[in-house]
Amino acid sequence: DSGVTQTPKHLITATGQRVTLRCSPRSGDLSVYWYQQSLDQGLQFLIQYYNGEERAKGNILERFSAQQFPDLHSELNLSSLELGDSALYFCASSITGDGYEQFFGPGTRLTVL
Amino acid sequence: GQQVMQIPQYQHVQEGEDFTTYCNSSTTLSNIQWYKQRPGGHPVFLIQLVKSGEVKKQKRLTFQFGEAKKNSSLHITATQTTDVGTYFCAGLAETSYDKVIFGPGTSLSVIP
Repeated sequence: DSGVTQTPKHLITATGQRVTLRCSPRSGDLSVYWYQQSLDQGLQFLIQYYNGEERAKGNILERFSAQQFPDLHSELNLSSLELGDSALYFCASSITGDGYEQFFGPGTRLTVL
Repeated sequence: GQQVMQIPQYQHVQEGEDFTTYCNSSTTLSNIQWYKQRPGGHPVFLIQLVKSGEVKKQKRLTFQFGEAKKNSSLHITATQTTDVGTYFCAGLAETSYDKVIFGPGTSLSVIP
C-alpha cells in the first residue's frame, strides 16, 4: 500500500459526459501528479501540482483540467468524453517535486462507451 | 523537448536467464528513477540514481547510470517469475523544473 488513495476504482460512462477523479496523496507529500495509461501503453504525464499550484504540464487535453485543494487532495476533471479517453488514470505523490520518488495510487479505470 | 526511450519494448526470457533493459535520454539528466509495474498493478519505485557512472544493486537487480548521465540500464540476473512486469525508467532533465519524463517501458515475460 503506497498511501495514495484514488476514487473511484472503476468508472463507466458515456461519450460526451463529464467525470471527476479524486486523489489523496500520502501524508506529508506536497506534490501530486496525474498520468494516463492506455492499454499496453506507457505512462503519459498529464499535469503536476505542488502545494496547491500548478507546477508542470504535459500532454493534457483542453477538455481535461485539474486542481489541488488546500488539504492537498487533487481532482482531475475530464469533460466531453470520447471513446479514446478510456484508460487507467494514475495519481502519484511525492514529498516535493524536485525529482523525488513518486508513490502511485491504485488508479482509476475509466471506460467510455 | 526531452525524450526518454527504452529498449527493448518486450522481452521474453526463460526462467533463470538474465535480462537487461536500456534507457536513453535525449538530454542530460539530473537523476534517473526506475519503476516496476506488475500486471494489473500500479508503478512502484525501485531506485534512484544521481551520480555519473553510479552503480547500485538490489539483490538480483543491478542499476547503472551512464557517465554522460544520458543513459541507464537495469540488469536482472537469473530471472524469476516474480520479475514479470513492465519496467519504466523516468528521467529528470538538468534543464527541467522537476518535470520527470517516463520512458515507454520494457515489458518482461518470464517463461517457467
